[in-house]
Amino acid sequence: AQTVTQSQPEMSVQEAETVTLSCTYDTSESDYYLFWYKQPPSRQMILVIRQEAYKQQNATENRFSVNFQKAAKSFSLKISDSQLGDAAMYFCAYRSAYDSNYQLIWGAGTKLIIKP
Amino acid sequence: DGGITQSPKYLFRKEGQNVTLSCEQNLNHDAMYWYRQDPGQGLRLIYYSQIVNDFQKGDIAEGYSVSREKKESFPLTVTSAQKNPTAFYLCASSISRQINTEAFFGQGTRLTVV
Repeated sequence: AQTVTQSQPEMSVQEAETVTLSCTYDTSESDYYLFWYKQPPSRQMILVIRQEAYKQQNATENRFSVNFQKAAKSFSLKISDSQLGDAAMYFCAYRSAYDSNYQLIWGAGTKLIIKP
Repeated sequence: DGGITQSPKYLFRKEGQNVTLSCEQNLNHDAMYWYRQDPGQGLRLIYYSQIVNDFQKGDIAEGYSVSREKKESFPLTVTSAQKNPTAFYLCASSISRQINTEAFFGQGTRLTVV
């Protein structure tokens, strides 16, 4: 069974600086998708970015980018120019292409604190 | 605006009571999900449904039940058989059977046993 590990329960960064959140996963599959979700204090989960395993190019969405290392099974999230509104729980999730129910497997989350 | 609505936001349950959490979506999504979130843990899947009148157990279905009589509605009942129901519950929906599609979430229901 696949597992997703976020080894940093909490991270803090100074406003306007860059922070990287780590995520590793364990799978024997070759085709899958990876996602980063943000859960702000309002508790509503919001998609930040997604990455297809077959794509070599790292996904980017404005200030958010990923470093996808398929061989190392690593999927880290980089947040540039951190803003106070980035403070939230961040969850990494995995979805297999071979699961006919397309279930998401979740990491435990990293709490990101932004220092003003 | 399209989205997912969960109600109530806060719910209190006495020991031995069944309670039902509501989840409604107007995104025209086929797939709907219920997750439980506990502190320090990721989301755990309780039940999911890919189509009306059909649903499957997730990883922690014991003590819970669901129905899917309408496409837009997927209520979750927390029964008295659930021994530790105090948690945050999230409902989600997505376009069915597309690997790259994101899941859209409601704002959650905080259930507390009193």
